[in-house]
Amino acid sequence: ETGVTQTPRHLVMGMTNKKSLKCEQHLGHNAMYWYKQSAKKPLELMFVYSLEERVENNSVPSRFSPECPNSSHLFLHLHTLQPEDSALYLCASSQGTEETQYFGPGTRLLVL
Amino acid sequence: GENVEQHPSTLSVQEGDSAVIKCTYSDSASNYFPWYKQELGKRPQLIIDIRSNVGEKKDQRIAVTLNKTAKHFSLHITETQPEDSAVYFCAASSNTGNQFYFGTGTSLTVIP
Repeated sequence: ETGVTQTPRHLVMGMTNKKSLKCEQHLGHNAMYWYKQSAKKPLELMFVYSLEERVENNSVPSRFSPECPNSSHLFLHLHTLQPEDSALYLCASSQGTEETQYFGPGTRLLVL
Repeated sequence: GENVEQHPSTLSVQEGDSAVIKCTYSDSASNYFPWYKQELGKRPQLIIDIRSNVGEKKDQRIAVTLNKTAKHFSLHITETQPEDSAVYFCAASSNTGNQFYFGTGTSLTVIP
């Protein structure tokens, strides 16, 4: 599938590392999202970007820093993470924030 | 804000039987209700959706019903097959908000 892509697919990092997750959508959408999915927990919305502007930030710790340079790309910059931040990080996009969201394959993150 | 509740959290059915998953929502302004299926290790994918101007929508073995008065909607899967085994998420959104609100997920197991 080429609709929404994410890299890397897997990431192992230490608590002092800095890394970035990348999401790219090829659907011409104008809204993009970051979700965190932990084992046996519901999807947790982290950030919403609409027309390249952040419109939601659901009380996410500052060690997660999003960036949306254009409507096709979304980044999640990570620094000084904690082991409890280990999870699947999913990116999604939609045409309008009230419309169907299409998900990327996710980045499985392990923080040691 | 919106609050979406989903039941049951786990569901096991025999192959060929029907499965029903129910969601309730709190915001009467919500007008779009998608259902996502997430197979193990894969991304959530839209399987069916309904808007508030209709009460029922069907696609082969899958149907969704919406009761706006009671603020609940349900996913119905008939003639279940082992490949239907997955986690199913409901969601609600409105054109006055900036995000989807996801349910907590239902893990469906179809026993051959």
